[in-house]
Amino acid sequence: DGGITQSPKYLFRKEGQNVTLSCEQNLNHDAMYWYRQDPGQGLRLIYYSQIVNDFQKGDIAEGYSVSREKKESFPLTVTSAQKNPTAFYLCASSGLAGIWSYEQFFGPGTRLTVL
Amino acid sequence: RKEVEQDPGPFNVPEGATVAFNCTYSNSASQSFFWYRQDCRKEPKLLMSVYSSGNEDGRFTAQLNRASQYISLLIRDSKLSDSATYLCVVNFEGGTSYGKLTFGQGTILTVHP
Repeated sequence: DGGITQSPKYLFRKEGQNVTLSCEQNLNHDAMYWYRQDPGQGLRLIYYSQIVNDFQKGDIAEGYSVSREKKESFPLTVTSAQKNPTAFYLCASSGLAGIWSYEQFFGPGTRLTVL
Repeated sequence: RKEVEQDPGPFNVPEGATVAFNCTYSNSASQSFFWYRQDCRKEPKLLMSVYSSGNEDGRFTAQLNRASQYISLLIRDSKLSDSATYLCVVNFEGGTSYGKLTFGQGTILTVHP
């Protein structure tokens, strides 16, 4: 089955620790995205990547970092500099890099809680 | 003003009812419009794209009014399974936005027996 996988589903972190969220897709999509969702709010874009070895900051990139070494993978690191990291993190991909009007497919998400 | 604004609801309707959601957007240069559905604690999934002439998919009808900068979603003959959060999504083009998708905060719908 083609799709997007994210792991882990739930993640607990102590303050001051960095954590990395995994996102893998086998849809052969060029573009990948990371969003954050807080209760009662819409999705906010953290980072996006349109091709391998290239990525751009979204609206709320501070305290986060990404890499795109392979087309299939786009991991997100939540660093200790992120002041309020508890949220639902969603990874997405789309088929045509740079063509934002095409459908984005989402992974099941990771719920991060900072203790 | 938010770039994409929705009435958060919640909308509580009985089975079989017709319900309509509206969404307004602030950027007149917006190019593409979508409705996504998000079930509780799940990822969003595309429900339908919204075309200039309006479009229908079974019980769902989407309309776009560019002059007034709003889109709407109409659900007829509501089912219990329609209970979810409906996200209005807009694609801006040009400037520094690079055509990114912007999501509304969502409208919660609960259909009861």
